Formats: sequence, C-alpha cells, structure tokens
Amino acid sequence: SQTIHQWPATLVQPVGSPLSLECTVEGTSNPNLYWYRQAAGRGLQLLFYSVGIGQISSEVPQNLSASRPQDRQFILSSKKLLLSDSGFYLCAWTRNTDTQYFGPGTRLTVL
Amino acid sequence: AQSVTQLDSHVSVSEGTPVLLRCNYSSSYSPSLFWYVQHPNKGLQLLLKYTSAATLVKGINGFEAEFKKSETSFHLTKPSAHMSDAAEYFCVRMDSSYKLIFGSGTRLLVRP
Repeated sequence: SQTIHQWPATLVQPVGSPLSLECTVEGTSNPNLYWYRQAAGRGLQLLFYSVGIGQISSEVPQNLSASRPQDRQFILSSKKLLLSDSGFYLCAWTRNTDTQYFGPGTRLTVL
Repeated sequence: AQSVTQLDSHVSVSEGTPVLLRCNYSSSYSPSLFWYVQHPNKGLQLLLKYTSAATLVKGINGFEAEFKKSETSFHLTKPSAHMSDAAEYFCVRMDSSYKLIFGSGTRLLVRP
C-alpha cells in the first residue's frame, strides 16, 4: 500500500531563517505531488504541484520554492522566512488525476 | 468561476443524533466531488468521493453523501454522531485542470 511521509512534524523558526520541508511517498511510482498551506482558520491553498522529476508548477507567487529531486520526493524551501509563512503545510499525492491523498502535515511557526 | 460553498462554518450536534454538513458547488458539468475530514493538527483523510457512478456515495465511518445535480449539492450525512466525529470537514471539487478546489470547511462539534 502507499504511504506518504512528511517531516518534520513541527518546526519553530525565526524570521529570516531558511526552510526545508520534505515529503516522500512510498509504494507507488511517478506520482503527481502537491504542496498546500493551511493558514489558521482558513482553507487550503495550493502552493506547488509536480507531475515529474524536475517539473514544478507554482500556483501563487510567494517567498517559497519547491523542488523534486527524485521521483517520490518533494521539497518545500525558503531562503528567508517571513511571519506570514506560518501555517500548516500539507503534501499530497495522486497516481492519476483522481483522488489526492494527504500526508500528516508540518506545523510551521515563524517568530 | 468554479467554486465550492460550505453553508455552515460550525455545526453542533449531540452524540447519537444525525449529522448534516451542507455543500453546494458551481459547475457547468458533473464534477468529481470529495469530502475530507481533518482532525486537529492532522492531515486530511478522504471520507468519500463522487465520480458519477452513483448519486448516493457511501464512505468510511458511516458517512454518506448524495449528489443532487438539480440542486448542485453534495451534502454529507451520518445517521448517528459519535464523539470521535468531532473534526473539520472539507467539501472539495476537482476542476477541469484536475486541481482541487476546497470549501472553507465546517467544524463539527459533538456534545456528550
């Protein structure tokens, strides 16, 4: 069966520091991968998606970037965090264009 | 524009009573629709999905939803609420580019 992992589970970072969040999927190949952000009291916002290694599409201009160095690995990064980057970050995958399955999430607090 | 509207931001029920979480969508065709549940500080778990095979969709944990094209609705129901059902629920549709469009969420409170 397929599983999706995210780490770290929680992270507290100072403003201006770098960020790296990792997402990996097991049990499938060539998945579509997605990064979402959920700000406090708000719905989910799609940040990036990827249909293959090295292929990244950005949905919202922002302080963040994404990379896909391996087939089942998706990384969310920032060079300098802003207070507004705080939130709950969710990774998701789909093998086709149907149901997306979500990871456990990373709670990021920027102070 | 394609959208999803969850009509209630909060719903409170007593344990053992029925649950109804309302969702309306806008679309010119029959979309793929989903309900996800999110417990605090957890990821989203798929409850059920509609992909035009049957209008009444049964999901996990006793939840079901009925697709009504004439009303452009996809309400989520459960006959008897359990304390463990307390969570946030998202109605989601897939757009023509296979991206997910999320409703704003409904927080379900279950009173003992």
